[in-house]
Amino acid sequence: NAGVTQTPKFRILKIGQSMTLQCTQDMNHNYMYWYRQDPGMGLKLIYYSVGAGITDKGEVPNGYNVSRSTTEDFPLRLELAAPSQTSVYFCASSYSEGAGAKNIQYFGAGTRLSVL
Amino acid sequence: SQELEQSPQSLIVQEGKNLTINCTSSKTLYGLYWYKQKYGEGLIFLMMLQKGGEEKSHEKITAKLDEKKQQSSLHITASQPSHAGIYLCGAARKTGANNLFFGTGTRLTVIP
Repeated sequence: NAGVTQTPKFRILKIGQSMTLQCTQDMNHNYMYWYRQDPGMGLKLIYYSVGAGITDKGEVPNGYNVSRSTTEDFPLRLELAAPSQTSVYFCASSYSEGAGAKNIQYFGAGTRLSVL
Repeated sequence: SQELEQSPQSLIVQEGKNLTINCTSSKTLYGLYWYKQKYGEGLIFLMMLQKGGEEKSHEKITAKLDEKKQQSSLHITASQPSHAGIYLCGAARKTGANNLFFGTGTRLTVIP
């Protein structure tokens, strides 16, 4: 019963460093998402994917990149880390048939990132 | 301003008390999702409501959707310490890729 698995759980970066947050799901879901959660601000969508090879920007994509080469994996890349990227990052996946259809998202446990 | 407003932002109740959390949308709702989050963990799906007037229950938690008011309420009966956490509502947009947008959450503390 793995569900959505995120690694690492914690990370501290120096300003200007790069890193990749890993996300994998074993539920054969077509949709995958990356969110960031800042204190008191709820979840903000960074990028999403509706299937392998297809990605699109969410509300706050600047400073991030994604790829989806397989159904299972959806890594998030941070280039030139900045203090504003200090946050908790969540990956999620769902099976959905598109606009207006049911879209129950299942979340990973999150990655706590600090940029100092 | 947020598209989804939750109230209250935080709530402290004595164990055994009932409570209600509200989620109000500034736009038409096409599905309302309730999640619970414990500190240091991801979001756990609780319930989804799609039709006006719909009501769903899971154990001691009941959620209702009022489509006319564009509002959903989450009611907990006889609260327990295990109910403590952050409750978030999420709503779907009918256009585009059916992404969810989320409220800022309600932090619930239950005092034994």
